[in-house]
Amino acid sequence: GAGVSQSPSNKVTEKGKDVELRCDPISGHTALYWYRQRLGQGLEFLIYFQGNSAPDKSGLPSDRFSAERTGESVSTLTIQRTQQEDSAVYLCASSSVGLAGGPEQFFGPGTRLTVL
Amino acid sequence: AQRVTQPEKLLSVFKGAPVELKCNYSYSGSPELFWYVQYSRQRLQLLLRHISRESIKGFTADLNKGETSFHLKKPFAQEEDSAMYYCALRTSGTYKYIFGTGTRLKVLA
Repeated sequence: GAGVSQSPSNKVTEKGKDVELRCDPISGHTALYWYRQRLGQGLEFLIYFQGNSAPDKSGLPSDRFSAERTGESVSTLTIQRTQQEDSAVYLCASSSVGLAGGPEQFFGPGTRLTVL
Repeated sequence: AQRVTQPEKLLSVFKGAPVELKCNYSYSGSPELFWYVQYSRQRLQLLLRHISRESIKGFTADLNKGETSFHLKKPFAQEEDSAMYYCALRTSGTYKYIFGTGTRLKVLA
């Protein structure tokens, strides 16, 4: 388990279907982030988890988006009733905390979601 | 609102030429700034952070609070520097990062 892993790597779905994306962070990393990257755009913050604290959900674009994290391990991002504008690469990152100047985020390979 | 601006989507330079990737931020507090890089078919990874004042792969970046900038510089570009570069801001007291839209650097032979 060297790095952050994400599954699936690619997902094609039909408009209106629900999808679930998975992220396995680096062991021991208490912080976990989800980002969305639309074609030609930057990384858009979605949600972040830090230990047992309440997650920061301020970036979730609508109530169709939700995420969970089990303890300090796996996280799933769920998109309900997918829309074509949800098509993007979804990136997960994890980090330790406490490093002055900001800890390094380690990114997964991403899940490319295509909504037809 | 906090914002990170990278005005150039694409920057092409010749090998051996100096390169400067621009990053401006908008934040009223004390910022923590980073540059992340994504090489072809690789994951996004940290290049450098301002607090470290380090030089990585010949790149440096200086935080200029007066101009609210954190430009990335390298005196002599190499072909292997070709990649996508993202500037990121972390607001103090949080773990939330705001990324710019990225600049694609192409170093021509």
